[in-house]
Amino acid sequence: GAGVSQSPRYKVAKRGQDVALRCDPISGHVSLFWYQQALGQGPEFLTYFQNEAQLDKSGLPSDRFFAERPEGSVSTLKIQRTQQEDSAVYLCASSLSRGLFGTDTQYFGPGTRLTVL
Amino acid sequence: GQQLNQSPQSMFIQEGEDVSMNCTSSSIFNTWLWYKQDPGEGPVLLIALYKAGELTSNGRLTAQFGITRKDSFLNISASIPSDVGIYFCAGLRMNRDDKIIFGKGTRLHILP
Repeated sequence: GAGVSQSPRYKVAKRGQDVALRCDPISGHVSLFWYQQALGQGPEFLTYFQNEAQLDKSGLPSDRFFAERPEGSVSTLKIQRTQQEDSAVYLCASSLSRGLFGTDTQYFGPGTRLTVL
Repeated sequence: GQQLNQSPQSMFIQEGEDVSMNCTSSSIFNTWLWYKQDPGEGPVLLIALYKAGELTSNGRLTAQFGITRKDSFLNISASIPSDVGIYFCAGLRMNRDDKIIFGKGTRLHILP
């Protein structure tokens, strides 16, 4: 399809395991965003890429969280030594613009639901 | 953490009724956005507002950007079953290092 895709859709991890979540943005979209959505909450910003450059990672909750987008298309969010508080839906969004947040529509993927036991 | 207060948290209405929800903030925003999220999906943008006082419609949806720039509301007229879902407001200050801040959502239920 032409939308943002994410994989896996569901991930169950034991506490302490490392996980990697993948995002395939819409082809040609310059900007890519990762959000964390806890149960019953709105999405919260994690990090932002413009092409392969990570321009803002101020929302990453700890140094266990790492994101990359090496070729400016697919992105991976990695969480090391997962903790129970990491359980959430991780949403990826992409937009066409190079500009400031919100100047172009962000298209969201369906998310990856991470459950840490 | 989030800075937007969205109300009500949930609504139970009959099909055909009109719906109103709002969002307030202690901070001024330059852009207000309204999204809808269906179960197992990501949010989808419904309406974007860029100017204080702006009133914008998208079909049965109408949203307004408050004059103070600290609030916004969304109205849905003549609700139908597919309106069920979670509606999020989001604000943006449009500074270079700023990001979209989401409310906690309003869950809309339609009674059979």
